[in-house]
Amino acid sequence: LAKTTQPISMDSYEGQEVNITCSHNNIATNDYITWYQQFPSQGPRFIIQGYKTKVTNEVASLFIPADRKSSTLSLPRVSLSDTAVYYCLVVSLGGADGLTFGKGTHLIIQP
Amino acid sequence: DAGVIQSPRHEVTEMGQEVTLRCKPISGHDYLFWYRQTMMRGLELLIYFNNNVPIDDSGMPEDRFSAKMPNASFSTLKIQPSEPRDSAVYFCASSPDRQREYEQYFGPGTRLTVT
Repeated sequence: LAKTTQPISMDSYEGQEVNITCSHNNIATNDYITWYQQFPSQGPRFIIQGYKTKVTNEVASLFIPADRKSSTLSLPRVSLSDTAVYYCLVVSLGGADGLTFGKGTHLIIQP
Repeated sequence: DAGVIQSPRHEVTEMGQEVTLRCKPISGHDYLFWYRQTMMRGLELLIYFNNNVPIDDSGMPEDRFSAKMPNASFSTLKIQPSEPRDSAVYFCASSPDRQREYEQYFGPGTRLTVT
């Protein structure tokens, strides 16, 4: 499974767009990029998943360049409630065998 | 759907006692996972089931830990005997099918404290 590297922490302000980048240099052809969000005292929550180019849903956008060695989770117009830990995971479809969570990025949104 | 349900939400027990954690996955989901989260080690996969059958238990710390899934709507994680180092938050998660195995729905967790 490809190892992922993401910043330990990030700060931003309400109303700003936040981009969290994750590197996964050893990603394989059948691997997908998945992001989870975890609030304090709660279980992780699936946010978004993609293979290449751009994916957008009601929560976030995910940008994946052509070489797929990195990906960027974009959160538009963040609010205080977006303060959480964000995990980038590389998952092999059809053989995920559970999720391997790294340290994640602790995002702190200030007023 | 009520989501993944876990009980109890909090458990405090003394070293040496048996602890049983319970999980009800989302109806219709084929996969069930047990994770453990601590500050030191983060989120770790302990075991997972596919259609009630254990597939991979390589993450189970030792023989003191056991998990069962007697039917599609219920699973247990048992620790016997418990030790202080087992103190952690234990999460149960379920996912729909093999193609969406990455899309896991987590329960609220059980915070276990072993004194």
